[in-house]
Amino acid sequence: NAGVTQTPKFQVLKTGQSMTLQCAQDMNHNSMYWYRQDPGMGLRLIYYSASEGTTDKGEVPNGYNVSRLNKREFSLRLESAAPSQTSVYFCASSLTGPPAEQFFGPGTRLTVL
Amino acid sequence: RKEVEQDPGPFNVPEGATVAFNCTYSNSASQSFFWYRQDCRKEPKLLMSVYSSGNEDGRFTAQLNRASQYISLLIRDSKLSDSATYLCVVNRNNNDMRFGAGTRLTVKP
Repeated sequence: NAGVTQTPKFQVLKTGQSMTLQCAQDMNHNSMYWYRQDPGMGLRLIYYSASEGTTDKGEVPNGYNVSRLNKREFSLRLESAAPSQTSVYFCASSLTGPPAEQFFGPGTRLTVL
Repeated sequence: RKEVEQDPGPFNVPEGATVAFNCTYSNSASQSFFWYRQDCRKEPKLLMSVYSSGNEDGRFTAQLNRASQYISLLIRDSKLSDSATYLCVVNRNNNDMRFGAGTRLTVKP
């Protein structure tokens, strides 16, 4: 039982490059989330998916797109990376929406040069 | 002004000490409240939910004051393993969780 897994763990991009961050959970959870964490800012919600087939914007969605591929997988895409997107990205899942406990993946450390 | 505010610390305390953290939130419509713990360069993990009547889990006690819009976490008999960053989390409505920037705690021998 791996919980929430994320790939890659680290990534360095040049400005303008694109990439997709992958997330998968094996807990049969309905809801999945993407957050970014910056120093002094706390985690901020980028996008979430309340259930398979639905996605909604969070607090900071600009510059990102998401796909809920199936119940297990929720990917985050940066179409044209910018230095302001340098951050640690966490994927999370929960059985239902809040107040259900959210389980986080180990994070992806992204640097955009 | 941030929606969820915490003193960033660091709080440096000796083993066995009692330490308390506060958190304030600005949205009076907030519905549910949590403390998460995050170890250095790791993912956050749920420590405890915070209920209106206050709740305790071993050495940890959480309190909620809706009138003043603040949440507190009390840790008694601190252990070295309690060293971490403690995140205050507030749920405004379904799926909209707002995290504080965290309070760093170091427990020293």
